Parts: sequence; structure tokens; C-alpha cells
Amino acid sequence: SQQGEEDPQALSIQEGENATMNCSYKTSINNLQWYRQNSGRGLVHLILIRSNEREKHSGRLRVTLDTSKKSSSLLITASRAADTASYFCATAYSGAGSYQLTFGKGTKLSVIP
Amino acid sequence: EAGVAQSPRYKIIEKRQSVAFWCNPISGHATLYWYQQILGQGPKLLIQFQNNGVVDDSQLPKDRFSAERLKGVDSTLKIQPAKLEDSAVYLCASSLEGSSGRFINEQFFGPGTRLTVL
Repeated sequence: SQQGEEDPQALSIQEGENATMNCSYKTSINNLQWYRQNSGRGLVHLILIRSNEREKHSGRLRVTLDTSKKSSSLLITASRAADTASYFCATAYSGAGSYQLTFGKGTKLSVIP
Repeated sequence: EAGVAQSPRYKIIEKRQSVAFWCNPISGHATLYWYQQILGQGPKLLIQFQNNGVVDDSQLPKDRFSAERLKGVDSTLKIQPAKLEDSAVYLCASSLEGSSGRFINEQFFGPGTRLTVL
């Protein structure tokens, strides 16, 4: 089963507003990553936060990680219509000789111009 | 730098037919992944290669799915015979980490192949 669970499943905001998406997971991780997927396209990596980090910024993106609560949040500030996409959190772990990402079901963000 | 290439982009087949997908990863990327993404869900890992060896294929339905990565570069994923529930987007991804990688770095995804099984 998929480890990450995003919340909300769908989010609709006006252009210029901030968008916050949350992700919860169940087991220990090496890092957590956020990806964006535009309609009909492959996924694009947005940001990676390691298990020993609490907050990370990249442009208009801010990611937090709380390993005690096994949760993460992605904040997109000053949203644009081009931010309309599905956003997935992916938990990364290594063990038994393999290392892989496990994706959640995603949050579908609609930014209304 | 060129991204991950996949072909075909779309495929429509009838159930019980066979289908194959091709992936060319980013040059120099040792690790290659195949994911299945059903509509409305996140990608699910099917198989992971390290160079030309299989690292993890625990979620690959081996009675009908097979994959290979010859010479540690290109890869093909085959379904034989296809079922209705195989309708999905098949994504190929690659990444840089080697066999001793402690951290899982970002993965680079191709555009995917949308499979429809009728």
C-alpha cells in the first residue's frame, strides 16, 4: 500500500493566494520529496527534505517535516495559474539492499485566474 | 541535458493482447524505475534496476509482466496477456544514485505511456 497520504485530495484557490498541502506517512524515512504532475505529463521533482531537516525553501515553495508526527507540508506562496497540477509527496527509505520512493495519491490543486 | 524518453506515448489494445513499452533513461543514470499510475492515484513502483540487475520487483505481477534492461541502459516493459485493469499510465524514471547510495536522490520521469485495454 502507498505510504504517503496527502490532504486535501483537492484544493481550489484564487491566483495570488497561498496553497498548503499536507502529507502523512507511517514508517521511518531517509527523506521526503514533493513532485508536481501537470495533466497528461510525467512527474517533476520540486523539493527534497532530509529526515534531519525541519524546513526547506525553494523559490515560492516551503516544505516542513515533522518526523515525530510523521507529517510534512508543502506551501506554495503567491500562487499562479501555472501552478495548477497534482502534487504528490513521496517517502524515501532504504532497506534490505534496495531504496525507493513510495508515492501518495496526491492533491489536485486548481488555481483560478 | 536530454530527459527520460519513452515510447509509445499512447497505446490501445484489446484484452489478452500483448504490449511493450520502451524507456531510454538520462545518460549516466545507473538506476531505472518502472511505475504504474492508475487514474486518480499516485505512481506505484513495479520494478527497479541498478545498472542491468533487478533490485526490487516485489510489486511486479510476474505472471503477465516482464521487464529487462539490457547493457544497463535502455529498458523494456512487457505485458502479456493484458487485462482490463492494466489500463494506466506507465512511467519510467531514472536517478543517479549508485549501489552504495545512502540517500535517495530525486528521480527524473519520462512523459509516460498511456495504455488503454479494451
